[in-house]
Amino acid sequence: DGGITQSPKYLFRKEGQNVTLSCEQNLNHDAMYWYRQDPGQGLRLIYYSQIVNDFQKGDIAEGYSVSREKKESFPLTVTSAQKNPTAFYLCASSIFGTGSFQPQHFGDGTRLSIL
Amino acid sequence: SQQGEEDPQALSIQEGENATMNCSYKTSINNLQWYRQNSGRGLVHLILIRSNEREKHSGRLRVTLDTSKKSSSLLITASRAADTASYFCATYSGGGADGLTFGKGTHLIIQP
Repeated sequence: DGGITQSPKYLFRKEGQNVTLSCEQNLNHDAMYWYRQDPGQGLRLIYYSQIVNDFQKGDIAEGYSVSREKKESFPLTVTSAQKNPTAFYLCASSIFGTGSFQPQHFGDGTRLSIL
Repeated sequence: SQQGEEDPQALSIQEGENATMNCSYKTSINNLQWYRQNSGRGLVHLILIRSNEREKHSGRLRVTLDTSKKSSSLLITASRAADTASYFCATYSGGGADGLTFGKGTHLIIQP
């Protein structure tokens, strides 16, 4: 079945440590996105990518970095510069991006906590 | 900043009743989408309505859009226990930024 796989499901980070969240899709979608969700809140956009080797900052990019070396993969690194990283992180993908009126497909998320 | 605001924040109804939730937004949009999120899971797309559409149906779902009032509503008819989830509206405004802007969601509980 086609879909988006996020790993790990749970992740713990020590102070001063960088961690990388994995996101892989086999839907052959062009666009991929990373969102952050805090308790009782909606989703906020961290980064998005419309094509390989290109990505754009979203509303809350500070303290995060991404890469898009392959169409199917869009890993997110939470750096030590992100002072409040505890959150639920969701990866999504869509065909040609939302400008073409296509819905986004989501993975099941990674819950990141600080030790 | 968050574009959409859902109302109510929480809603509890009996199984078989209809559930209505509303979404208001601030700026002009190209389209508005509704998503469902079960606890601890990712979001699932329910329905997309374009800015030039006023109403759309999908199974037990009915969505309306009033661009003059910058508001949308989602109606779920004949609710089931499996409809228990959080529901989010999301808007796309275009203009280069290609992500969706989400509201804080309505948490719907269907009592058996």
